[in-house]
Amino acid sequence: EDKVVQSPLSLVVHEGDTVTLNCSYEVTNFRSLLWYKQEKKAPTFLFMLTSSGIEKKSGRLSSILDKKELSSILNITATQTGDSAIYLCAVETNDYKLSFGAGTTVTVRA
Amino acid sequence: NAGVTQTPKFRILKIGQSMTLQCAQDMNHNYMYWYRQDPGMGLKLIYYSVGAGITDKGEVPNGYNVSRSTTEDFPLRLELAAPSQTSVYFCASSYALGGNQETQYFGPGTRLLVL
Repeated sequence: EDKVVQSPLSLVVHEGDTVTLNCSYEVTNFRSLLWYKQEKKAPTFLFMLTSSGIEKKSGRLSSILDKKELSSILNITATQTGDSAIYLCAVETNDYKLSFGAGTTVTVRA
Repeated sequence: NAGVTQTPKFRILKIGQSMTLQCAQDMNHNYMYWYRQDPGMGLKLIYYSVGAGITDKGEVPNGYNVSRSTTEDFPLRLELAAPSQTSVYFCASSYALGGNQETQYFGPGTRLLVL
């Protein structure tokens, strides 16, 4: 059975802090790893990491895939209150199905 | 371009009742998915479809049925609602062809409460 584990489950930081979220996985037929941000409603896409693209950056967010360690990290620098959300890690297999981790709840206090 | 739409937004069911959660996408995506999300948990795949007329089970299919008669629509049916089906349901779609896969786009979700 495919397995995706995120840590920590939750954290609270102050504006301006840097946050590092972890995701480890055990899946067969790995295709890609995705990060989503979920506020009150549907998950919104952040990054997709594959064997040919193991590092992505967008503004204050960045992510790295370590295929040897079967893990990924999501970094958020200079956090803002708008970064408060649940961050979901998902692993895609070759049949285009996603397995999600339980998510990390990030709370950024002003 | 509405993306992925879901109806209803919220519904209360009594145990044993049935209902259909509607999902539609206007992006001409071939893949469609149904997930459920329980509090403090990630999304779990219920059913998915790779194209019209083709559906397959995901991780948690028991108690649900789906059909895909058109590319646009992918309804999820609950035949005998149980309290364990209280959850938030998300529909998603994506385009995949010949090894190229775009990311999945999610609908706004349907909150279902079974009492």
